[in-house]
Amino acid sequence: DAKTTQPPSMDCAEGRAANLPCNHSTISGNEYVYWYRQIHSQGPQYIIHGLKNNETNEMASLIITEDRKSSTLILPHATLRDTAVYYCIVNRNNDMRFGAGTRLTVKP
Amino acid sequence: GAVVSQHPSRVICKSGTSVKIECRSLDFQATTMFWYRQFPKQSLMLMATSNEGSKATYEQGVEKDKFLINHASLTLSTLTVTSAHPEDSSFYICSAAPGQSFNEQFFGPGTRLTVL
Repeated sequence: DAKTTQPPSMDCAEGRAANLPCNHSTISGNEYVYWYRQIHSQGPQYIIHGLKNNETNEMASLIITEDRKSSTLILPHATLRDTAVYYCIVNRNNDMRFGAGTRLTVKP
Repeated sequence: GAVVSQHPSRVICKSGTSVKIECRSLDFQATTMFWYRQFPKQSLMLMATSNEGSKATYEQGVEKDKFLINHASLTLSTLTVTSAHPEDSSFYICSAAPGQSFNEQFFGPGTRLTVL
């Protein structure tokens, strides 16, 4: 498995940027990094994905290090509704396995 | 964006009965669908990978005779929990991958199963 390591929990103040790190040191050259989030009792929601270049969409930015061994998901202006568990996943052979994720709590 | 639905969203059944959960891709065709199970305060665990028109591939430790998967069309996969027991109570989530390239998966809202 292309395992990922994430901190179990993080707090962020409302309106501030939330930076969620992920280590994926065993990632291979053609494997994408995906980020999903799960709000309590709902299905996972796709956020963003990338291969080696930094990516940005309306939800977040994804910064991938040059060696691709780690990445950071950035929520530029966190709101209370961004409180969720965030999963960083390496897509190996079209197989996505969920780790424990990071529980992000956005506080007023 | 691509939408995946699940039905029912919540089901309560008696021990020993069977329960069928449907997963539908609403606006795209899904060659491959995935079934996950999630226990409280835990992450999603992949149960099986379902390919349209062929037998599902089950993960180690998942009983194929207990969790029957049928992927009869490109927009529908069903998971039947046979002879359900209280320990099968869980949140079941499906996902669907468009076309042959399933680098991206779209997840359903999940089905909460409670077995009494």
